[in-house]
Amino acid sequence: EVQLVESGGGLVQPGGSLRLSCAASGFTFSSYWMHWVRQAPGKGLVWVSRIISDGSSTSYADSVKGRFIISRDNAKNTLYLQMNSLRAEDTAVYYCARENSGTYYDAFDIWGQGTMVTVSS
Amino acid sequence: QSVLTQPPSVSEAPRQRVSISCSGSSSNIGDNAVNWYQQLPGKAPKLLIYYDDQLPSGVSDRFAGSKSGTSASLAISGLQSEDEADYYCATWDDSLNVWVFGGGTKLTVL
Repeated sequence: EVQLVESGGGLVQPGGSLRLSCAASGFTFSSYWMHWVRQAPGKGLVWVSRIISDGSSTSYADSVKGRFIISRDNAKNTLYLQMNSLRAEDTAVYYCARENSGTYYDAFDIWGQGTMVTVSS
Repeated sequence: QSVLTQPPSVSEAPRQRVSISCSGSSSNIGDNAVNWYQQLPGKAPKLLIYYDDQLPSGVSDRFAGSKSGTSASLAISGLQSEDEADYYCATWDDSLNVWVFGGGTKLTVL
């Protein structure tokens, strides 16, 4: 079964750090670009970051640029999001998603169940 | 404020048809494919429509997407209670160099 499972969320104080993980299974992880998308409580979806298949190129939303780092370990089939200098406005459910440039013309066809990050003192 | 504009909510009776609009600009919808996602309450988003009007495998043909110029639309026919969800449009923005989502539309089946 094709699956993405996030972990690593939790409660962190403002200014703190957290690392999210997204474990992939059921497909050739190293062949796909991957993304993080977040959703603040009661709000809509917001794209956060993207990494290409071999990890050599990344991009970020302006709101997290310089604070978050996306990375991947293709040997471990795992995507990461290192979140530093966290702010209250980073509080959200964080989803990892697979971009399918083949069958689905770059749409995000597989999503994880999400992991909640709460930034509060 | 989202780059793509959707109505916050729509409602319609069972078995009827409803349409959800998504308005953008030449740098996003006008130049790139639009995808639609369905998010059931408490669940992760699910790909509903890709490349403007294509249905992924397993998605009911009661869902249909269309695009004209800088606007896109999602139509749902034969409404069922299980269609109650939030619906999001999304596309790439050439000027911002980011993926952009609409603010989401909450569908209520009366």
